[in-house]
Parts: sequence; structure tokens; C-alpha cells
Amino acid sequence: GENVEQHPSTLSVQEGDSAVIKCTYSDSASNYFPWYKQELGKRPQLIIDIRSNVGEKKDQRIAVTLNKTAKHFSLHITETQPEDSAVYFCAPLGNFGNEKLTFGTGTRLTIIP
Amino acid sequence: ETGVTQTPRHLVMGMTNKKSLKCEQHLGHNAMYWYKQSAKKPLELMFVYNFKEQTENNSVPSRFSPECPNSSHLFLHLHTLQPEDSALYLCASSQEKGVVGEQFFGPGTRLTVL
Repeated sequence: GENVEQHPSTLSVQEGDSAVIKCTYSDSASNYFPWYKQELGKRPQLIIDIRSNVGEKKDQRIAVTLNKTAKHFSLHITETQPEDSAVYFCAPLGNFGNEKLTFGTGTRLTIIP
Repeated sequence: ETGVTQTPRHLVMGMTNKKSLKCEQHLGHNAMYWYKQSAKKPLELMFVYNFKEQTENNSVPSRFSPECPNSSHLFLHLHTLQPEDSALYLCASSQEKGVVGEQFFGPGTRLTVL
């Protein structure tokens, strides 16, 4: 099965600064790399994803970068705002139907006003 | 509420009770999932159903019993639970297991076992 690790487990940044969260995985067959955001008391929701044929994807203030050789991908949030405070999960996945779905252990991001 | 719904949103039960959690998705998906979310293990996959067939059981104790009568509905039957089973139980759906893509989560059921 997939071993998924996220770093750091907690992160505090000043409002306006950038935040980076890294996800490492073990299964080289993984080809889909999503990031989910879970605000306090709410459900996890997809915020950005990338497929293995792309190295970087950007959507306004958030971006995801992928290094398939090193088996890690990262979430980048620029110009952070208080509403970015949440727990972020990665969940790398392969397209073969028999892989175990594994979420990372989560990163609690706190934006300091 | 559209997307994925769950009932009840909160449940308190004794260790000898029998209760059921319900999940319904209105997205036309064929895969449905149960997750347990607790402080110790943030998002722990329990069961996966694909086209109503159970494809994954992640060593979940038999006191949790899933049921998927059709692709839109998923139940989790609970009996003789332990206090350590207290957690947020999340249901999710996706297009199809084996087809990578977004999982859509329900709001969860906050379960407390006394």
C-alpha cells in the first residue's frame, strides 16, 4: 500500500506571507495528486489537483508542484489570508483500481493576523 | 442540501445500542466510501463500495457493518461500540474507484459512544 507523509504537521505564518506543505509518497504508480482543505467543523474539499503529466498547476493564490522522480508534491499558498487557516490533506492515487486510498496525516495551517 | 448528505449529524449512543448512519449522494457517482476521522488518525479509510460491491475493508472491527443497497445510498450499521469509536464519520463519493478524480465528502456524523 501507499505510505504517505506530510510535513510539517503544523504551520503558522503571518498574514500575507507564503506557506508550503510537502507530501511524500511511496507508490511510483501514483498519477493523481490532490490537496484537500478542511476548515474547522466542515467537510474536506478539494482545492487543487495535478496529474502526473504536468509539473505545476496554479489557481490564483494556490499552486501545486510535482516531482515524480523524488515522489513528492507540494502545496503553495501565497499572500495568505485568515480564511486559509485550516487542515490540509494530500491523497496521492493511482489509476489501477486496486490501490489503497491513503490520505496524509494532515497539516494544520494557522494564519496569524 | 445537494452533493453528499449524511444523517444524523450528531449521535450519542451507549455501548449496547444499535444505530445506523446514512449517506446519500446526488452526483451520479458509482463509488462510495466511509472514513473515520479522529484526533489520533486524521482520515482513516474504512470501507469502499464500487457499483454497490464492497471492494475494500481496511481491517475494520465487525461491530461496524456497511450496507450499500444502490450506488446512491450507503449505510454504516453500528452495534456494541466502544468509547474509542467516538469520532467524526465521513462519507464520500467519487465517479468510480479506479478512475482517479475528486472525492466529494458529506458533512459527517459526529458520534459519541458513552
